[in-house]
Amino acid sequence: QVQLQESGPGLVKPSGTLSLTCGVSGGSISSDNWWSWVRQPPGKGLEWIGEINHSGTTNYNPSLMSRVTISVDKSNDQFSLQLRSVTAADTAVYYCVRGILEGFLDSWGRGTLVIVSS
Amino acid sequence: DIQMTQSPSTLSASVGDRVTITCRASQSISSWLAWYQQKPGKAPKFLIYRASILESGVPSRFSGSGSGTEFTLTISSLQPDDFATYYCQQYKSYKTFGQGTKVEIK
Repeated sequence: QVQLQESGPGLVKPSGTLSLTCGVSGGSISSDNWWSWVRQPPGKGLEWIGEINHSGTTNYNPSLMSRVTISVDKSNDQFSLQLRSVTAADTAVYYCVRGILEGFLDSWGRGTLVIVSS
Repeated sequence: DIQMTQSPSTLSASVGDRVTITCRASQSISSWLAWYQQKPGKAPKFLIYRASILESGVPSRFSGSGSGTEFTLTISSLQPDDFATYYCQQYKSYKTFGQGTKVEIK
């Protein structure tokens, strides 16, 4: 059973860059899956940020595309999120998620809260 | 962009009730729709894909239907463990979630 674990700073300054890493265990990041980031502001709904596959092909939410980079590290079975020029509106729980090729998201990390504040 | 709209936003129900949540897409997504359940402080749990196929281990009281632009999630007999927020998600073009439907105790 694949497991995903987010890691990274819980506090980021406004205008800075949010950087998170997701470690994948119990499975290989080189499998035929998409690896996604999804976020959830406190008390609000889910927002898909983007995804990457083992070849490094990415898809991004058009509303965030200008600020987002997702990368993959196959040697360490992990993938990463960078979100630039953050504001308080980027405060959220960030989840890393495994996506099946068809497109649904079947395995979720526990999530990590990132607060944007000075 | 494909927008997803769920109704109602909140639903009050009792144990044993039949509950139906609706999800509408802004354009046809065929059957490329998934449903998730989320409890407070927890990650979402995947329930249904391709509009109507239950993930392994999901109780049979859950069912999904629909195609095109209108979809429903039905819980045939609400159990105490089912009080949660439910999200639909389209995956025809990128991925978009509905805003969620909270099922609360009446």
